[in-house]
Amino acid sequence: EAGVAQSPRYKIIEKRQSVAFWCNPISGHATLYWYQQILGQGPKLLIQFQNNGVVDDSQLPKDRFSAERLKGVDSTLKIQPAKLEDSAVYLCASSWYNYEQYFGPGTRLTVT
Amino acid sequence: AQTVTQSQPEMSVQEAETVTLSCTYDTSESNYYLFWYKQPPSRQMILVIRQEAYKQQNATENRFSVNFQKAAKSFSLKISDSQLGDTAMYFCAFIYNTGNQFYFGTGTSLTVIP
Repeated sequence: EAGVAQSPRYKIIEKRQSVAFWCNPISGHATLYWYQQILGQGPKLLIQFQNNGVVDDSQLPKDRFSAERLKGVDSTLKIQPAKLEDSAVYLCASSWYNYEQYFGPGTRLTVT
Repeated sequence: AQTVTQSQPEMSVQEAETVTLSCTYDTSESNYYLFWYKQPPSRQMILVIRQEAYKQQNATENRFSVNFQKAAKSFSLKISDSQLGDTAMYFCAFIYNTGNQFYFGTGTSLTVIP
């Protein structure tokens, strides 16, 4: 079974630029999560989708972050414009039930 | 608010020895799930072990076992016969069985010393 795929793996941008991350969950997983993990901290949930609907986006900075999940499969997370404090690893995870989450390798974003 | 506390930011253990990582959580609910995830350096997070709160028996996965004390809201991870590949960040996580959001602890960085 293929795991959660994410791209790119690394991205370096300047502040005020925009960036987009892509996630392909495990086939059949209805729930998809985006997390932000700052170095030395645990993952922080940004947004959760159930199929193509948003379940929880309470911690998503909506003035600069946006996310969508087309057709209930792939998802993209966008930051526009980026700030220095957005430097982090962005993790995508998926699950069949709201229990075991399977994580992708993450995208390491550096904002200079 | 739900919280997950890992009070040991860093730990080390000699190869082949046993180490226990601590985790406590706060909830007023009775039905939930607990997890330990492992995140090796620059590698993706993987599930180590899972415990259902309604089960009294502690979960075990090969060299990994938990000590689940529901009344004390404690969920520690024991790693037996530690191996170099066990070097990683370990995160304790919690989710209600009817909930959506995982609550993660701040992690414990474990180093296995040859």
